[in-house]
Amino acid sequence: GAGVSQSPSNKVTEKGKDVELRCDPISGHTALYWYRQSLGQGLEFLIYFQGNSAPDKSGLPSDRFSAERTGGSVSTLTIQRTQQEDSAVYLCASSATGANYGYTFGSGTRLTVV
Amino acid sequence: EDKVVQSPLSLVVHEGDTVTLNCSYEVTNFRSLLWYKQEKKAPTFLFMLTSSGIEKKSGRLSSILDKKELSSILNITATQTGDSAIYLCAAYLEWSYQLTFGKGTKLSVIP
Repeated sequence: GAGVSQSPSNKVTEKGKDVELRCDPISGHTALYWYRQSLGQGLEFLIYFQGNSAPDKSGLPSDRFSAERTGGSVSTLTIQRTQQEDSAVYLCASSATGANYGYTFGSGTRLTVV
Repeated sequence: EDKVVQSPLSLVVHEGDTVTLNCSYEVTNFRSLLWYKQEKKAPTFLFMLTSSGIEKKSGRLSSILDKKELSSILNITATQTGDSAIYLCAAYLEWSYQLTFGKGTKLSVIP
C-alpha cells in the first residue's frame, strides 16, 4: 500500500483480555518494527522483523507479548492478559532495508486497558 | 546504556519566532541521528544526519550534527501554527536496526 496501515486505530479492552494489533507495511519493505509510546515517554523498541524472521525480540516487555509476521508482509502484535500498564500507543514502522533510510511509521493503535 | 536526551521537553512560542530544539546522545557505535515530527500519532521523517557540521535544510527547517559534542539541533525559522507538534530525535547505531529515541520536544506555536 501507499503507507503503513495499522488497525484498529483505537482499542479499549478490559484488564485480563487478549488483544491483537495489526500492521500492514509498505509493499516491498522487508524490515518491520514495533514500538510503544507511553504518555510522556519516547518510543520504546519492541521487536524487529526482517522478512518473516524476528532476529531481535529483546524489547518485548514480558512473555505476555508476542508478534508474528507472515508472507513477509502483515504483522500482528498480540498482548495476552492485558494489564493497565500496557496502555500506550503501539506504532508500527517499515523500511526498505534498515533504519538508515528512516522508517515510515503507521498512525498507531491507541490501546487503553480499563 | 544508550541514551538520547532532548531539551526542552516543551516550548511555547508565537508565530514568526525562531526556535532551536536540542538533542544529545550517549550511545555506543553511533552511526546517524534522525529527526521526526509527530503531529497526531504517526511520526514523519524529517532529516538524517551522519556527518558532523553539514547542515540539512528543508524549507524553514534545518538541522546540524556535532559529533564532537554528541549533539544535534533542529532549527525552525518563522514558525507557523502548523509547526505545532512533538519533535523526536533518534540515534541509529552501527550493526543495529533499531532506533533509540529521546522523549521528544513538544512545540506549541500560538498565533
